[in-house]
Amino acid sequence: AQKITQTQPGMFVQEKEAVTLDCTYDTSDPSYGLFWYKQPSSGEMIFLIYQGSYDQQNATEGRYSLNFQKARKSANLVISASQLGDSAMYFCAMRFHSGGYQKVTFGIGTKLQVIP
Amino acid sequence: KAGVTQTPRYLIKTRGQQVTLSCSPISGHRSVSWYQQTPGQGLQFLFEYFSETQRNKGNFPGRFSGRQFSNSRSEMNVSTLELGDSALYLCASSFDGTGSLLSGNTIYFGEGSWLTVV
Repeated sequence: AQKITQTQPGMFVQEKEAVTLDCTYDTSDPSYGLFWYKQPSSGEMIFLIYQGSYDQQNATEGRYSLNFQKARKSANLVISASQLGDSAMYFCAMRFHSGGYQKVTFGIGTKLQVIP
Repeated sequence: KAGVTQTPRYLIKTRGQQVTLSCSPISGHRSVSWYQQTPGQGLQFLFEYFSETQRNKGNFPGRFSGRQFSNSRSEMNVSTLELGDSALYLCASSFDGTGSLLSGNTIYFGEGSWLTVV
């Protein structure tokens, strides 16, 4: 069954440092997409970055990059030069085909706190 | 372009009442999904609508229902509210939930509706 695992309930990082949030996934389907979302305390889920299973290059969006290691089934999010505003919950998600259309499964999230 | 809009943002209801939440997806998006988020259960999938038809459904009781209109706007309804229904309800939209897994089919969320049942 398709599953996302985020093993870090909470992380601390010093402002301006880089941080890696772990995400591993489980699927036997060769076609899937991986997402990362940021959820501040206000509740909105903000899309950060996307990686398709057939993408050759690791996705990057500004200070966010996705370290995609297909053989290890991992899709870690790297945030460079952390800012105080990066403090939030971060969710990894996977979109996959099921029964003729797509479904999405989410991890339980990692709470990131940026320390001044 | 405008993002996903959810209304109301905050509401308080009494046990036994019913509630309707609204979601307007991004213009051009036809797939709308609803999620319930609670501290203990994380993000739980409720249902997905595409072209006015419910296409996917999660494991929630029949008190939870939804619908989608011809303009892709969607509503979800919870009848006979229970204390455990207190949660953040998130709506997500995407262009098409069936075909491509390309980046253009990204899923975008609204700000959510915070429901408190007392």
